Amino acid sequence: DAGVTQSPTHLIKTRGQQVTLRCSPKSGHDTVSWYQQALGQGPQFIFQYYEEEERQRGNFPDRFSGHQFPNYSSELNVNALLLGDSALYLCASGSYNEQFFGPGTRLTVL
Amino acid sequence: QKEVEQNSGPLSVPEGAIASLNCTYSDRVSQSFFWYRQYSGKSPELIMSIYSNGDKEDGRFTAQLNKASQYVSLLIRDSQPSDSATYLCAVNTVIGSSNTGKLIFGQGTTLQVKP
Repeated sequence: DAGVTQSPTHLIKTRGQQVTLRCSPKSGHDTVSWYQQALGQGPQFIFQYYEEEERQRGNFPDRFSGHQFPNYSSELNVNALLLGDSALYLCASGSYNEQFFGPGTRLTVL
Repeated sequence: QKEVEQNSGPLSVPEGAIASLNCTYSDRVSQSFFWYRQYSGKSPELIMSIYSNGDKEDGRFTAQLNKASQYVSLLIRDSQPSDSATYLCAVNTVIGSSNTGKLIFGQGTTLQVKP
């Protein structure tokens, strides 16, 4: 049984560009959450998707948007990239009680 | 005041010793608490969850929760060099009386276990 998967593993972009990150939840999980983890910090909640709708959102600008598909997979889109968007982007799936993280996507903005 | 606070460390213990990691949280209505282990360059791995006051043991790991003091801890017995990692405390946010699945993390404590 595959766990949470994410793609790509690494990305390098330049300021102003747009990026799309992808996540497939663990089998049986219908809720997907996205987190941003800057170096040396704990993960910060971006948003959560359930039944193809954004249910909760953290303190992130509208440049961060997402989508959930009928098969529960999800995308995170970031527009107008800033240097400060460089981070590890984590997808988590699970219940409202326990969540399991994917391997993450390392985004570097130059 | 940060919502979830941890000492960033590093916490250094000799092999075989007990490592004690601590975490405090600010929201009194929080109901569920988690410890994640994160190796350098990897993603967080869930190692313990605790929901009730008291101790919960799983192998060499014991999580302790004191809701009155808003305090969560993780004890690692017989520490091994392979336990060297960053340990993240996370608290589930609550709306009404229900967990939301939105986790608030501390900044993590780096543990070094020396052979």
